[in-house]
Amino acid sequence: SYELTQPPSVSVSPGQTASITCSGDKLGEKFACWYQQKPGQSPVQVIYENRKRPSGIPARFSGSNSGNTATLTISGTQAMDEADYYCQAWDSTTVVFGGGTKLTVL
Amino acid sequence: ELQLVESGGDLVKPGGSLRLSCAASGFTFSTYNMNWVRQAPGKGLEWVSSISTSSTYIYYADSVKGRFTISRDNAKDSLYLQMNSLRAEDTAVYYCARAIPSAGKGFDYWGQGTLVTVSS
Repeated sequence: SYELTQPPSVSVSPGQTASITCSGDKLGEKFACWYQQKPGQSPVQVIYENRKRPSGIPARFSGSNSGNTATLTISGTQAMDEADYYCQAWDSTTVVFGGGTKLTVL
Repeated sequence: ELQLVESGGDLVKPGGSLRLSCAASGFTFSTYNMNWVRQAPGKGLEWVSSISTSSTYIYYADSVKGRFTISRDNAKDSLYLQMNSLRAEDTAVYYCARAIPSAGKGFDYWGQGTLVTVSS
């Protein structure tokens, strides 16, 4: 079965750039999405179709996808961005999520 | 206002059954694919099942195939998940999530979730 691999944790200082990776076999040939989930809340989509932002998502969130790796980049990271982030892609007719990355802003 | 409201979560014994519901409002339900995604306590997201707009296409994760059944009633703007032969590992918050039926769009809106606990 298809797998997506994310680092368990990433740390970033306020105002700096955070990059969260998601690796999978030939992932660049698929569409990738990203979701943010804060404690006790439902997930919120922050990126779809590799690099597009849904309405209401700040421009500091961006995405890319090439080769075997999709990347979520948060520029000028703010304290409010501290959350778990999940990548997601499709493998034929099934949906696959990465294991999640806890972003700590310190 | 766009809303997805799940219900039906409960404490159930191993081997038991449960039916989850998701009531949609604030958008044209029949034009979206719908999905169930679960999250075990302290764990990550796991896709469970998807159903297309007119129920033509239905897919399941291997972990629930043969035990769970997804369905929808477009006249009632509702999504369902019939869960049979429940196991301890099915314990999770179950979210319904909508998806635009176009490649790459993903899950653009999620409900607040309903908790299913499988324990004796």
